[in-house]
Formats: sequence, structure tokens, C-alpha cells
Amino acid sequence: SQTIHQWPATLVQPVGSPLSLECTVEGTSNPNLYWYRQAAGRGLQLLFYSVGIGQISSEVPQNLSASRPQDRQFILSSKKLLLSDSGFYLCAWRTGSGYTFGSGTRLTVV
Amino acid sequence: GESVGLHLPTLSVQEGDNSIINCAYSNSASDYFIWYKQESGKGPQFIIDIRSNMDKRQGQRVTVLLNKTVKHLSLQIAATQPGDSAVYFCAEKSSARQLTFGSGTQLTVLP
Repeated sequence: SQTIHQWPATLVQPVGSPLSLECTVEGTSNPNLYWYRQAAGRGLQLLFYSVGIGQISSEVPQNLSASRPQDRQFILSSKKLLLSDSGFYLCAWRTGSGYTFGSGTRLTVV
Repeated sequence: GESVGLHLPTLSVQEGDNSIINCAYSNSASDYFIWYKQESGKGPQFIIDIRSNMDKRQGQRVTVLLNKTVKHLSLQIAATQPGDSAVYFCAEKSSARQLTFGSGTQLTVLP
């Protein structure tokens, strides 16, 4: 079956610390993968998407980066977190015409 | 700039009543629209979609209406239940852009 895994579910990190969020998909090959961020009470903002290994497109300039080291793995990173990086981070993959989302990571930068 | 937005940020309905959630979009090139439901602390879940060459599509207890003339999209939920309480997002897609989400409407079902 096709599934998407995202971890951790919650994370509290100090300002200036690094970040690594991982997303993996199962049951598919060569998926289009996406990282979204959702601020409290707001919609979803597309951060990065990837159509294949090593291929990353950035939608907005920011303190974050993404990597696609393997076909089914998508990683969101930061070298030094800012307070404004707090939010709910969602990984998604394109299934047909729509997207399927992971369960999200709640990041709080303190 | 292009945007997808919602008319009302919150909506409260009595259990058993019908709910209507509205969405306005500005990208006339959008060819595909999706409604998502997001429960607290979870990722969005697909509800129903509609292509731009359609004006109505029905699912189980849900109906999506598309009015391209006024660039308006609505989600109707019949016989709203407590489990329908969530944030609902509309999203639009065109060939030139990735999926773009609106800001969401919080639906609260009252007992």
C-alpha cells in the first residue's frame, strides 16, 4: 500500500540550533514530493518540491533547505533556526491530480 | 497577485443542518480544484475535487459547486455531524503552478 511517513511529530528546538525533518514514502516510485509550512490559524505555504533525486525547487526564500538523497526520501533542514521558523511542517506527495499529506511535525523554536 | 482565499474564517452550524463553505479564487487559468479537511494536529485529508470543465460534483454527503464566471467555489456538507468539525481548505492547481491553498475555514458543529 502507498503510505507517507513523517517524523518527529513534535519538536522543540532552541534558536540557532540545526534542524532535520525527514519524510519517506512507500509503495510508489519516483514520486513528486513537497514540503509545506502552516503557521497557526493560517493556510499552507509551499516551501520546496522535488520531482526526483537531487532535484529541489524552492518556492520562497528562507532559512531552510531541502534535499532528496533517495527516491522516496525528502529532508527539510536548517543550519540555524529562527523563532519565525516555528510552525506545522507537512510533507506531501502527488497522487494522481491531488496530494496526500503526512501527519505533520509541530516545530516550536524557543 | 494570484490567490485563493475564503470568505469566512469561521462557521458554526447545528448538528444535522447543512453546511456551506465558500472559496474565491483569482487565477482564471486554474483547471483543478480540491477541498481538504484538516483536523487539529493532523495533515489535510482529501475530500473532493472538481475540474474546471465541470460545475458540480457530488460525493458522500458532500457536493462541490464551481462558478467560473465569478471565480467561486463552494463545499456543501449535508446533515453535518460532530466529526465534520475541522478546518476546511480549498486549493487550486493550474499547469503553470503547484497546488495553492486558501487560508481555511474553521467549521464548528454545535450539539
